[in-house]
Amino acid sequence: NAGVTQTPKFQVLKTGQSMTLQCAQDMNHNSMYWYRQDPGMGLRLIYYSASEGTTDKGEVPNGYNVSRLNKREFSLRLESAAPSQTSVYFCASGDNSGNTIYFGEGSWLTVV
Amino acid sequence: LAKTTQPISMDSYEGQEVNITCSHNNIATNDYITWYQQFPSQGPRFIIQGYKTKVTNEVASLFIPADRKSSTLSLPRVSLSDTAVYYCPDNYGQNFVFGPGTRLSVLP
Repeated sequence: NAGVTQTPKFQVLKTGQSMTLQCAQDMNHNSMYWYRQDPGMGLRLIYYSASEGTTDKGEVPNGYNVSRLNKREFSLRLESAAPSQTSVYFCASGDNSGNTIYFGEGSWLTVV
Repeated sequence: LAKTTQPISMDSYEGQEVNITCSHNNIATNDYITWYQQFPSQGPRFIIQGYKTKVTNEVASLFIPADRKSSTLSLPRVSLSDTAVYYCPDNYGQNFVFGPGTRLSVLP
């Protein structure tokens, strides 16, 4: 079972470059999420999508955009990367009871 | 955003029982309480969930008092492999808010 799949696993960007993190889930979940985790810190919500066609800002949305392409896919875009966006990014999807979310394995992003 | 409260870190020795308590001061009537475990370089993974009283699975037990304002994750006889960060996120209207979690270190 694939669950939540993120790509790429690792990426190095130069300041000012753009990139998109891809996420797909195969559990037919309505809600999807993007979090970032900095060293030694907890998870902070960037954006979430309660259902296909809707997106909402989380705790730290500045510098990011998202697209809920369809029910399976939820992408995170950095238009102009900054060193402060160096982090580990986790995508997650939430089961339709609204009580549990399932995480991908993470994407390690370094901005130099 | 509402966040649950839990200790930042705990130390234990192999073979001991570990109890981690979380405060859920803003829990809604319909919300379940869920705990997650995160190992280094991995995403958090679900370990246990409950609504009230006690739930037990092959990994842990979860104790929830009648007022549901707190929960206690109990790990029986921990081993070195239980060293991880444990989270009890606030389910804020399907917006799951994670705090820094509890960093459990199991010592030999």
